[in-house]
This record gives sequence, structure tokens and C-alpha cells, in this order.
Amino acid sequence: GQQLNQSPQSMFIQEGEDVSMNCTSSSIFNTWLWYKQEPGEGPVLLIALYKAGELTSNGRLTAQFGITRKDSFLNISASIPSDVGIYFCAGHREGKLTFGKGTLLTVNP
Amino acid sequence: DAGVIQSPRHEVTEMGQEVTLRCKPISGHNSLFWYRQTMMRGLELLIYFNNNVPIDDSGMPEDRFSAKMPNASFSTLKIQPSEPRDSAVYFCASSLQGAVGTQYFGPGTRLLVL
Repeated sequence: GQQLNQSPQSMFIQEGEDVSMNCTSSSIFNTWLWYKQEPGEGPVLLIALYKAGELTSNGRLTAQFGITRKDSFLNISASIPSDVGIYFCAGHREGKLTFGKGTLLTVNP
Repeated sequence: DAGVIQSPRHEVTEMGQEVTLRCKPISGHNSLFWYRQTMMRGLELLIYFNNNVPIDDSGMPEDRFSAKMPNASFSTLKIQPSEPRDSAVYFCASSLQGAVGTQYFGPGTRLLVL
């Protein structure tokens, strides 16, 4: 089946640092999405990417849809404590959304 | 506006018991999704409905799992009989444009089967 390889699995950073995480796949996806999940809650959509090469920002978050359509990255600039959570990439293809395993982000104040 | 509503938020049951999870999608959304989240397997799609009709149930683990959507504002996921390996967080999500549209997730039901 379709698999998304998300890395890193976890990150421990200091407040103010920039963060980068990515997802790769052997399959081509039509849409890439990035979600954030906080403890006890469901995933919340952060950014959606619809075209290869697309670069989209949402505040301190920036994500790109890879040219090959097989990868995407998410950057968070100037991290703050409330950025903690699990970040998931998701790729949409053939009517199905496939999720990566997530990146657990911890921000030390 | 209310988001996706799920109940119960937590469920503890004994092996062999029937478990019913409930979901109310966002009003006006025509698609509803059930996911299961575990540490080992991450988020997995179990089944999704479009206009109350099951479209893809290939993710349903086995016959012990069943899902229904009797109307546009309500869906259930039932496990009978439950087993310890069913312990997970079950999420319901809804969207306005089927599988292509942005999915909005509920807060989840944390199920523990002893």
C-alpha cells in the first residue's frame, strides 16, 4: 500500500530555533497536507498544497509540495512553546488520504 | 460553529463486550471518515461515507467492526466482540468535498479494552 516516510520521528529544540521536517514517498500524490495534533485532540489542518512546486506560508509555518510530487517539507520559524505537538504529513491520491507516522516536537522554553 | 462531535470521549470495556462509538459531522458536510490511531500503526482510515453511503471500507480490520450512517448528521462505529488489540484512539472526520476536501477531525474516542 501507499506509505509516507516522515522524518524525523521526534525533535527537541530550544525556543526561538527553526524546525524542519519532511515526508517522502515512492508514490505520487495529488495533494499534500500538514496537520498538527495536540494532546487529547484530533489533528488540525495547518497547510494544504495542491500543485507541484507550490510554496505556501501560514504565519511562521512554510510548506512546499515537491516538484516530483513524491515529497513535501514543513518549516517552522522562531519556534515557541505552543508549537509542541505531533505534526503529520498526509498525501491525497486516488480518493484516499494517507498519513505519515508523525514528528513529535518538543520546545524547551 | 460546532466542529465534529464524538462520544464518548473515553471508553473502558472488557474483552468480548460490544462497543459503539458515535459521531456527528459538521453540518453541511457530505463526507464522513472513521480513523484509528495507534502508536504502532499511526493514523489509519477505516471507512468513509459519501452522502451516507459507504464508499471505501477496505480499512475495516475484520468482521467484528461495522459502521453505519443512517442520516447526514450521525454515524456509528461498532466493535462486537471487542478485543484488547482494538485499544486505540478512534477519530471521526468530515469534509465538504468528499475525499478531496479538507477533513476536519473530532476530538477522538479513547478506547481501552481490558
